[in-house]
Parts: sequence; C-alpha cells; structure tokens
Amino acid sequence: QQQVRQSPQSLTVWEGETAILNCSYENSAFDYFPWYQQFPGEGPALLIAIRSVSDKKEDGGFTIFFNKREKNLSLHIKDSQPGDSATYFCAASGGGYKVVFGSGTRLLVSP
Amino acid sequence: GGIITQTPKFLIGQEGQKLTLKCQQNFNHDTMYWYRQDSGKGLRLIYYSITENDLQKGDLSEGYDASREKKSSFSLTVTSAQKNEMAVFLCASSIGSSAETLYFGSGTRLTVL
Repeated sequence: QQQVRQSPQSLTVWEGETAILNCSYENSAFDYFPWYQQFPGEGPALLIAIRSVSDKKEDGGFTIFFNKREKNLSLHIKDSQPGDSATYFCAASGGGYKVVFGSGTRLLVSP
Repeated sequence: GGIITQTPKFLIGQEGQKLTLKCQQNFNHDTMYWYRQDSGKGLRLIYYSITENDLQKGDLSEGYDASREKKSSFSLTVTSAQKNEMAVFLCASSIGSSAETLYFGSGTRLTVL
C-alpha cells in the first residue's frame, strides 16, 4: 500500500528554471510533511518541511505548497542549479516515530 | 554537530548467510532507526529503538533482528541473506520522542551472491 505517492519519477530542467515535484498522500491523520534531499552515495538530509495547518512554506529557493483538502503538496525549486541535482523524497507523519516515504523524484538540472 | 557512522560501507555476503550491519551516532539522540532503500522505491522502516535495550518493529522487520545495547549504537542483523535483499540500508537518529527530523548515515550497500 503506497500511502505517499510522488511524481514524476524523474525530472530534467534547465539551469535557472523552476522545478516542480509533486506528492500526494492518503492518510488524513498525517500532519507533518518533510522533504528530504539525497545525493548519490549519501544518506537523505532534511531540506524543508511543512505542517498541515499551513499552506505554504519557503526556505531560500525552496517552497512547499500544501493543499489539505486535495491531500497533495508540491516542492518548487526556484532558479534550479546543477548542484540541486539529487533525489527528493516526500514524506509524511502523524506524530510519533513512523515516517512514510514516497518513492522519490530524481531531479537533473542541466547547465 | 554530530555524525552517524555506518560500517561497513559495502557488504558482500552469500545467500543464507547471517550478516550484521553496525551504526554509531554521536548526537546523543534517544531514538535510532534502520531503513531499507531499494532502487526506485522509498525508504521502508525495518526497526527502531526509542532508548537503549528497546526494540520496535517497523513495516519490514521479518528476516531481520536488531540490537541496541547502548544509546550510541544500533546494529541490524540479516538473519538469512536472500538474493532479493540487495539494497542500501540506512541508519538514522532523531531527538527525543519525535521523528520530525531524521539524521541519516550514508548507508551500507548489501550485495548477496
């Protein structure tokens, strides 16, 4: 059962463009949604997160847009750079220790 | 800051073999986790531990054992390696009673021959 779905599976954008990564979830009890960034050979690292009481969260060039009614969210990476090329995981939790991860979006930013 | 160290970085085993992966953290975090990452799939929770000598099963615990003998270390044992277990195993830790921020190690890549 895939509780958190991500699309697209892979995405290529040109340097300077805005990359948009999508995520949807099924469980209404989820109230916290972190995005993790993973470079090859490394473990994931927390990039940005949002709580379900908010509809937008910005941090530098990264913005999460959240739609509670539709149970979806998206990560926008503004002015994408080659150094942003990585795999991005959307995750969800309802408090406690269990975090459900999506299958990831592999982003390639071409110079 | 702190760091999570996983050993070994690469582990090659034979089918049916018992294999142990180790994880150390110097964050002084209470909770530690083992996740499995398969190519093209998300991370799936195998075991977690909220304090030393505590073990909690995740969604993928069958075929694995874990041990948390001290706060700073958490080990995972593959009880009988299977060919379909080629994956990256990620150790993580978090502060207190929340998994809001997980700090990950760089992983152990397991190959079963």
